[in-house]
Amino acid sequence: DAGVTQSPTHLIKTRGQQVTLRCSPKSGHDTVSWYQQALGQGPQFIFQYYEEEERQRGNFPDRFSGHQFPNYSSELNVNALLLGDSALYLCASSNRGEKETQYFGPGTRLLVL
Amino acid sequence: AQTVTQSQPEMSVQEAETVTLSCTYDTSESDYYLFWYKQPPSRQMILVIRQEAYKQQNATENRFSVNFQKAAKSFSLKISDSQLGDAAMYFCAYRPRYNQGGKLIFGQGTELSVKP
Repeated sequence: DAGVTQSPTHLIKTRGQQVTLRCSPKSGHDTVSWYQQALGQGPQFIFQYYEEEERQRGNFPDRFSGHQFPNYSSELNVNALLLGDSALYLCASSNRGEKETQYFGPGTRLLVL
Repeated sequence: AQTVTQSQPEMSVQEAETVTLSCTYDTSESDYYLFWYKQPPSRQMILVIRQEAYKQQNATENRFSVNFQKAAKSFSLKISDSQLGDAAMYFCAYRPRYNQGGKLIFGQGTELSVKP
């Protein structure tokens, strides 16, 4: 049973560019959440997708956008990259419901130069 | 605002000994979930243990157990018989039980080292 997968594992971009990160949820999961983890910090919630719609959003600017596909996989897009966007981006999947537990992927390390 | 605080940036334990990691949280909700996640150098966040606030009994998972004090809003993690593989960053996390989309709120983390 495959767990949560993310691609790519590492990425280097320059300021002003755009990036797309991808996530495939664990088998049987229908909800995907994205988190940003700066070095030495705890993860910060970006947004969550369920039924192909953004259901909740954290305190992140509109440069951060996402999408969920009919097969429950998801993309995180970041436009107009800033140096401060350098971080580990974590995807977590879960089953919708009050007892949901989020299971995390290995993350994508983004470096913005 | 809901917050999670881990006051110990670093902890160290001797192999086979016991260590306790602290976590406090602030919320006005009466029903919620608390989690401990482990993040080794490989970066993958792994669920260690989960506590439901409406259950008085402390959760246990093999060598891992929690001390959940709801009135004090405290949620500590005890690791017994520490092993070298326990070395990692440990994060405490909170989530309200109802609605709010399942957003997890994390603490700053405690880095645990295990000495052979």
